[in-house]
Amino acid sequence: DTAVSQTPKYLVTQMGNDKSIKCEQNLGHDTMYWYKQDSKKFLKIMFSYNNKELIINETVPNRFSPKSPDKAHLNLHINSLELGDSAVYFCASSQASGDTQYFGPGTRLTVL
Amino acid sequence: AQSVSQHNHHVILSEAASLELGCNYSYGGTVNLFWYVQYPGQHLQLLLKYFSGDPLVKGIKGFEAEFIKSKFSFNLRKPSVQWSDTAEYFCAFGNTGGFKTIFGAGTRLFVKA
Repeated sequence: DTAVSQTPKYLVTQMGNDKSIKCEQNLGHDTMYWYKQDSKKFLKIMFSYNNKELIINETVPNRFSPKSPDKAHLNLHINSLELGDSAVYFCASSQASGDTQYFGPGTRLTVL
Repeated sequence: AQSVSQHNHHVILSEAASLELGCNYSYGGTVNLFWYVQYPGQHLQLLLKYFSGDPLVKGIKGFEAEFIKSKFSFNLRKPSVQWSDTAEYFCAFGNTGGFKTIFGAGTRLFVKA
């Protein structure tokens, strides 16, 4: 059983398009996150949600809109994609803030 | 500002060599400390963690780390590396209630067979 799953695994799209990435965790965790990992492997927090409520938005452009329909899901919608959005996006979850995080397999987004 | 500094960006070792990766954090309060590993093409997974108690913690695959509070450090060690340890290693800290875990920039370890 996959603990944290993401779809799709790969996403290739043109500039200006809108795309979504889905994330689901079956661990019963309260807190979920989105991270962006650039080509140099630097991992940057984008959003943190606790019990479906947005807790942290790390100055991410408002083209990025997370949505948490329930505690087990945190989806990421991106409008008007730009070349600089190309990266690997990881979803993660933890039982509580500051606790061990469990990462999804990542979504490699390529914007052409 | 809260931050994590990893001393080495790239490390190349031969099999059986000893490993030590440096990590220092900047935060004035109580922290939970982590080392995560990312094998090529895979997602991050927990290697070991320190929340409280014995400052010397042991993780999977023979790794250990020591928390030295006075130095704000949490260095990762392994006495004898294997080719399969080739990966990216991330030091991180979180604080309960802070809803954010701060990651270091990562250290890429390459082990020559």
